[in-house]
Amino acid sequence: DVKVTQSSRYLVKRTGEKVFLECVQDMDHENMFWYRQDPGLGLRLIYFSYDVKMKEKGDIPEGYSVSREKKERFSLILESASTNQTSMYLCASSDTGGPIEQYFGPGTRLTVT
Amino acid sequence: DQQVKQNSPSLSVQEGRISILNCDYTNSMFDYFLWYKKYPAEGPTFLISISSIKDKNEDGRFTVFLNKSAKHLSLHIVPSQPGDSAVYFCAASGDTGNQFYFGTGTSLTVIP
Repeated sequence: DVKVTQSSRYLVKRTGEKVFLECVQDMDHENMFWYRQDPGLGLRLIYFSYDVKMKEKGDIPEGYSVSREKKERFSLILESASTNQTSMYLCASSDTGGPIEQYFGPGTRLTVT
Repeated sequence: DQQVKQNSPSLSVQEGRISILNCDYTNSMFDYFLWYKKYPAEGPTFLISISSIKDKNEDGRFTVFLNKSAKHLSLHIVPSQPGDSAVYFCAASGDTGNQFYFGTGTSLTVIP
């Protein structure tokens, strides 16, 4: 079974703090994704990566950056957290070769106060 | 602008009856569609998929129907069970295959 793990289930940070969200997958997947889920808005793609050191902007990249130094690990960085970044953050991974289902981690509920 | 829409935020169904969840999309380039199920405090899990070369795909109690001309897909669950109570997201992908666009979700409650 594919396993995608996220470093924290719940996180509380202060406005202006730098925040790191870590995601690790164990299935040697090429593609990794960061989404945020908000009520009434569904899942929105922040960034994705199709290879080590490669990244692509999703629909809402503003205020975020990412890092992928190793194939299995994809980090989401909030350079200066703001209250409007309070959300559920979901990491996903998928194999390569065209449209294929993504496997999600359990999510990190981030609260910025 | 939301390219994938689920216009019903919630749905309640009696156990044993059929649940029908609907999804509409606007981009005619979308050619692969997925349904995900999400329980509270868990990540979404893949349920069923369909490509645009088909108009129906079935897996046990779950069937997805695709109407390309109407840009509409639906998920049928029959018979519905209390364990099916969850939020269901539809997702669509186009030419790149890497990026999926998700709907806003429908919360299904199956009443025992």
